[in-house]
Amino acid sequence: EPEVTQTPSHQVTQMGQEVILRCVPISNHLYFYWYRQILGQKVEFLVSFYNNEISEKSEIFDDQFSVERPDGSNFTLKIRSTKLEDSAMYFCASSPQGDYGYTFGSGTRLTVV
Amino acid sequence: AQSVSQHNHHVILSEAASLELGCNYSYGGTVNLFWYVQYPGQHLQLLLKYFSGDPLVKGIKGFEAEFIKSKFSFNLRKPSVQWSDTAEYFCAVNAGNAGNMLTFGGGTRLMVKP
Repeated sequence: EPEVTQTPSHQVTQMGQEVILRCVPISNHLYFYWYRQILGQKVEFLVSFYNNEISEKSEIFDDQFSVERPDGSNFTLKIRSTKLEDSAMYFCASSPQGDYGYTFGSGTRLTVV
Repeated sequence: AQSVSQHNHHVILSEAASLELGCNYSYGGTVNLFWYVQYPGQHLQLLLKYFSGDPLVKGIKGFEAEFIKSKFSFNLRKPSVQWSDTAEYFCAVNAGNAGNMLTFGGGTRLMVKP
């Protein structure tokens, strides 16, 4: 069964550093997403991406965040200057159309120290 | 903004017991409804989804959910749980005015005792 692949599975970074979280969505999917889950809290929407541009973003997705699909297969989330409160599990997801159930990746646990 | 509530945070059952996990949402318009499961150490997996039609939806692994519009609910059920159902279960809603975004409930952690 096709999978969404995320790397790395765990990233530790110092506060103020830039991080890039990588995702390879399912190849024939058109919509791509990032969600995050801070420990003990709900899964929260960050951003959706379609046709090479952001289609929606939440209040969490401020200027410190950016997404890119650099080469037609990878989908990345960049955090420019990490803060302690960015520590969370970040999930990538993709869907063939916008309103179908997503396929989620296994997540990247980001720890900012 | 829409919200999703899962009132049971932790549920402990013995094998063969019946399961019902509650999910309520706060949006009056058209919704798409989902249940996801996250087994220990694994990613979120879609259990079932409702878009329209028969409000009783059957999913994988013997799970089903019923959409009751008047109650704004989409409860998950399984007649007889197994130890392998131990996982965290998340209800999620896509509201008609929210594009592709999913709003998740807080999750219910289910432990099934062998």
